[in-house]
Amino acid sequence: GAVVSQHPSRVICKSGTSVKIECRSLDFQATTMFWYRQFPKQSLMLMATSNEGSKATYEQGVEKDKFLINHASLTLSTLTVTSAHPEDSSFYICSAEGLAGSGELFFGEGSRLTVL
Amino acid sequence: QKEVEQNSGPLSVPEGAIASLNCTYSDRGSQSFFWYRQYSGKSPELIMFIYSNGDKEDGRFTAQLNKASQYVSLLIRDSQPSDSATYLCAVNMDDYKLSFGAGTTVTVRA
Repeated sequence: GAVVSQHPSRVICKSGTSVKIECRSLDFQATTMFWYRQFPKQSLMLMATSNEGSKATYEQGVEKDKFLINHASLTLSTLTVTSAHPEDSSFYICSAEGLAGSGELFFGEGSRLTVL
Repeated sequence: QKEVEQNSGPLSVPEGAIASLNCTYSDRGSQSFFWYRQYSGKSPELIMFIYSNGDKEDGRFTAQLNKASQYVSLLIRDSQPSDSATYLCAVNMDDYKLSFGAGTTVTVRA
């Protein structure tokens, strides 16, 4: 299957700093990538849909100025958590569609963010 | 009302038994349905997807879909300890985004 790589896998930062998470499709081009957040023992919650070359589409309740998404190429999308606070501590996961419109997603390894 | 609902479990089954997981969804227009497995601390991995009513088998896994009842299930035959994980049901709504259930935690007892 398709491979999606996410980096870093773990990051610890101080409150008020910004953190960037990268998501790469290694063996295919992904025009659309999705960013999810998962709190312990809860399901994945879609944060935003990232489209190559255009602005991301954010889900209701997700602050676009706090969670900056850039999808500058067909193989790379980045999520920047700006001015992170302890409540932003979570497991962030990206995914990309294997075939456009199919709904079949391939997930990155996830990034665990801890904000002190 | 949640869009995708699953029993949270935990579902405990002995090794070699059948684990049965259920999922219901609210959007009657949903077209495709997925089961993902997620080990603790890891990201989800796709097990199966199903589009048509009926059964779809892949190895020890069988997905069952009943669109009239808005119900999709996953059977795991000959359960192994390595099957112990959280299983996420996901439904592709009309706008192509996946909605996930909260997941069912399965524990296979050796």
